[in-house]
Amino acid sequence: DAGVIQSPRHEVTEMGQEVTLRCKPISGHNSLFWYRQTMMRGLELLIYFNNNVPIDDSGMPEDRFSAKMPNASFSTLKIQPSEPRDSAVYFCASSFVRGYTFGSGTRLTVV
Amino acid sequence: ELKVEQNPLFLSMQEGKNYTIYCNYSTTSDRLYWYRQDPGKSLESLFVLLSNGAVKQEGRLMASLDTKARLSTLHITAAVHDLSATYFCAVDRAGSQGNLIFGKGTKLSVKP
Repeated sequence: DAGVIQSPRHEVTEMGQEVTLRCKPISGHNSLFWYRQTMMRGLELLIYFNNNVPIDDSGMPEDRFSAKMPNASFSTLKIQPSEPRDSAVYFCASSFVRGYTFGSGTRLTVV
Repeated sequence: ELKVEQNPLFLSMQEGKNYTIYCNYSTTSDRLYWYRQDPGKSLESLFVLLSNGAVKQEGRLMASLDTKARLSTLHITAAVHDLSATYFCAVDRAGSQGNLIFGKGTKLSVKP
């Protein structure tokens, strides 16, 4: 199994631009999670899906952030417009029966 | 609100010494997770503790869970440099799927 696959690994963008992060969960996992990691705030849960349906998006910082899961094998996290304070590492994780596997993360830098 | 607190946040050890990292959580949970993260890398699952009194060991690391005290410990025996990393505990609420809440992490540095 290739594990949870995230792309891109690194993204540098200018403030105001749209950024899309992508995640392919492990086949057969029915839950998908987006986390953000910063030095100041640690690991924060942004949103999670069960069976492709968003369950809890209370961690999404503001309306500039949106996430979709159109099918069981793909999810996106979009930031529009991006701001320097969005710079962080974004992790995607997938789960089956509460066993969580994390992707390698996307390091986002907004300049 | 579920809160997870780890201490210490920073730990500098000498090789060969023993130490314990503590993880307290604020509400009922039936699963506790320990992860390791190397700099610039993802989170690697170390242990999943499923019930009160659970103890798991892998090499020089041993984790335990006391659900009544809402406390988990990660004990390091005879530390070696390769154990240098950041260690996170995480908890999800009993009966829930998702909402895996992490502690701030303990950055461990093992020096010769």
